[in-house]
Amino acid sequence: KNQVEQSPQSLIILEGKNCTLQCNYTVSPFSNLRWYKQDTGRGPVSLTIMTFSENTKSNGRYTATLDADTKQSSLHITASQLSDSASYICVVTPQTGANNLFFGTGTRLTVIP
Amino acid sequence: DADVTQTPRNRITKTGKRIMLECSQTKGHDRMYWYRQDPGLGLRLIYYSFDVKDINKGEISDGYSVSRQAQAKFSLSLESAIPNQTALYFCATRSTPGLATSNEQFFGPGTRLTVL
Repeated sequence: KNQVEQSPQSLIILEGKNCTLQCNYTVSPFSNLRWYKQDTGRGPVSLTIMTFSENTKSNGRYTATLDADTKQSSLHITASQLSDSASYICVVTPQTGANNLFFGTGTRLTVIP
Repeated sequence: DADVTQTPRNRITKTGKRIMLECSQTKGHDRMYWYRQDPGLGLRLIYYSFDVKDINKGEISDGYSVSRQAQAKFSLSLESAIPNQTALYFCATRSTPGLATSNEQFFGPGTRLTVL
């Protein structure tokens, strides 16, 4: 069973609308949690990082939240743009073995005009 | 990210052929990684290296080998390619850890490999 589960698997929204992507993980103890954005044909690029003691982190229209008690994170995208169309990947770094990251399978977001 | 480059970007080959994927970086990072990405699965670690000539197996190293002859280069080889190695391959780099944020891995653009 994957230790990082993301939902939904895919999502289609209208330009200008908000959306929230979910990440549930079982990795414990963990060092930090990152959200990556992966455009089609490109490698993933880091959007946000949160340590276990942080609850929220923003990067422009992207806001990530973390609840370490329930082992859940979300990525909220405000006022979506066509360029937000991409896969969003949740990545958890364990406290030990930080070279062995745990990757979610991603949520494929499509923003349509 | 132009700091991490991969060649080739696309490759189609036949079963049994030897294939080498190259990764180069100008970020000056000492740590380098090879991953594969398959539909419906998260990225999976194949091999990683902390420094020149340092090699460590990842989650799915069988059928693959790597070489790190220079800090800036990390190559991945498939000695005898098979169809289930068809996937998207990513190279990544990372600086020496010291701060929480330094564990960010910077990914190359990927190599799409098809084994017929």
